[in-house]
Amino acid sequence: DTGVSQDPRHKITKRGQNVTFRCDPISEHNRLYWYRQTLGQGPEFLTYFQNEAQLEKSRLLSDRFSAERPKGSFSTLEIQRTEQGDSAMYLCASSLWAPGSTDEQYFGPGTRLTVT
Amino acid sequence: AQSVTQPDIHITVSEGASLELRCNYSYGATPYLFWYVQSPGQGLQLLLKYFSGDTLVQGIKGFEAEFKRSQSSFNLRKPSVHWSDAAEYFCAVGRSFYNTDKLIFGTGTRLQVFP
Repeated sequence: DTGVSQDPRHKITKRGQNVTFRCDPISEHNRLYWYRQTLGQGPEFLTYFQNEAQLEKSRLLSDRFSAERPKGSFSTLEIQRTEQGDSAMYLCASSLWAPGSTDEQYFGPGTRLTVT
Repeated sequence: AQSVTQPDIHITVSEGASLELRCNYSYGATPYLFWYVQSPGQGLQLLLKYFSGDTLVQGIKGFEAEFKRSQSSFNLRKPSVHWSDAAEYFCAVGRSFYNTDKLIFGTGTRLQVFP
């Protein structure tokens, strides 16, 4: 169990550019979550997957954001035409969920995005 | 809708002193509650969780939390704080029982520890 990993850890981009982040969950975990955290705030839910199916998207996730988990393992979060308001820490988490049992989310170190 | 309130933005304690971080939640049913800690530049680490049973739960690093339904609270405590406990602490509630999917976080409490 190597934990949840995210790449890159830091990304600086110019407004209008596209960026893509990757998350590798704990290997046996079937759920994967994306959160966004801005300075001085707690994480806010963006979306989550169960295996390869995207089960929910927050209204925070505008049309410029897209997330995938093509084989039910790693996930990517892409932001198109970045804006300065996209500057934040993007956190990924994973959990092992089964019906009728509780699960808990394990977080990665995050990707800090700065849009200039 | 569920919500979490952490009334204290910033708390300062001396090393060795006791600590209590407050968390109030709004939730219609039995909540699934968590405390996470975040060190600078790091992701969140789970300290403890509550979903049923004994209302006093023990976590890692010597932390404990008490669920009080009558007060809608889930306060985090530690009897003696260490300098390494300086970090940001987040309380969170799961959206539904037995199903964390979407965690709702408070705004956090920053803990500063003086030697």
